Formats: sequence, structure tokens, C-alpha cells
Amino acid sequence: SYVLTQPPSVSVAPGKTARITCGGNNIGSKSVHWYQQKPGQAPVMVMYYDSDYDSDRPSGIPERFSGSNSGNTATLTISRVEAGDEADYYCQVWDSSSDHPVFGTGTKVTVL
Amino acid sequence: QVTLKESGPVLVKPTETLTLTCTVSGFSLSNGRMGVSWIRQPPGKALEWLAHIFSNDEKSYSTSLKSRLTISKDTSKSQVVLTMTNMDPVDTATYYCARAIAVSGDNWFDPWGQGTLVTVSS
Repeated sequence: SYVLTQPPSVSVAPGKTARITCGGNNIGSKSVHWYQQKPGQAPVMVMYYDSDYDSDRPSGIPERFSGSNSGNTATLTISRVEAGDEADYYCQVWDSSSDHPVFGTGTKVTVL
Repeated sequence: QVTLKESGPVLVKPTETLTLTCTVSGFSLSNGRMGVSWIRQPPGKALEWLAHIFSNDEKSYSTSLKSRLTISKDTSKSQVVLTMTNMDPVDTATYYCARAIAVSGDNWFDPWGQGTLVTVSS
């Protein structure tokens, strides 16, 4: 089965840039979606890839969030990090061979 | 506004069957682009996908839990039901339902329900 690997944690100072990676075999050929989960809350989508393979943000998600995907690594980038960005982040793809989603292992972002 | 809300027991005993209901509003379960998944999260751990039901009523299950899971929907009631048999303490988790948006064979989840914590204990 398809596996997505994320670093357990990323630490970043306020105002700096956080990069959260999601590794998978040839993930660059897939659409990768990202979710933010704050403590005690349900996950919220922060980035998705549409059929044109363009990354997009749901309404209400700031432009500071952006995504890229190439080769074996997808990356969620958070620019000008704020204290409110502290959360767990999960990547997700849809495995068409088994017709079900695969979630990454999750990354805890700590704002120093 | 699209919302999903999970309901069911907060406490089940080992070996019992868990039945959870996801009531949706703001979209139709018969919409060709919409499906619903159940996803769980044990305390302090990562998300684990369980089951998915497509708009055409086709189902997909986690390979490791397939023998214990059944997903179904009642479009007229806007509900998706998940049953999990033979519950064990390791199944203690927050259970979420989430709307899946399907585009060209891909699916992403937006929004999610608030989740319901299910504890398995005698």
C-alpha cells in the first residue's frame, strides 16, 4: 500500500518560513492535499490540488500557505509564520489503485 | 453552509458493535461529486482512514479493518452510518466523518465533522 512519510516535528520562529514535507513514491504524479489540526479540533483543509494540478486554498486560508510537489516530495510552505499556525499538519493523497485515501504520519509545527 | 455531525455512544464495551451516524447538511449524498469517509484518531496519534461511500453507493474499506466495518447511507435522511464489530480498547479514538469532493478520480476532504470520542472499556 502507498505510504506517506512526514517529519514528526518542525520548529520555526515567528515571522519565518516553515516547510513541511510529505514523502511518497513518485508523489509528484499525484494530487496532494493538506490539513491543519489544532489541539482539540477537527482537521481543516488548508491546501488542495484541483484537476489542473494547480494548488489552491479554500476560502479563509491566508495566502501565506502554499504548496509544491515534485519527484518524491510534496511540501507545504507557511510564510511569515504566526503563533496561530501552531498545529499538526497532515498530507493526503487518493490511492487510485485501491480507491481510498492515504494520510501522512503528521507533523507538529511549533512556533518558538 | 455544509456541515457534518457525528453521533453515537461515547462508551462501548469490548466485543460490542459500535454504530456511528454522520448527519450531513448543505449538500446531497446523491451528488455525483460528493462522498463521505469515516476517519479516526486515537488519542495523541495520527489520522487513520476507515471507510468511504461514494455517491453511487459503492464502498471502500481499510484493508486492515475491512472484516469489521460496514458503511451505508440513507440519502433521504442525509445520513451515513458506520458499524464496527468486535470493539477493543485499542479502538478508543475520536471518530470523524468528512465530506469528500471528487474531481477526476481524486478526492479531498472538506469539511470535517467535529468528531466524537468513543471509549472502549468494560
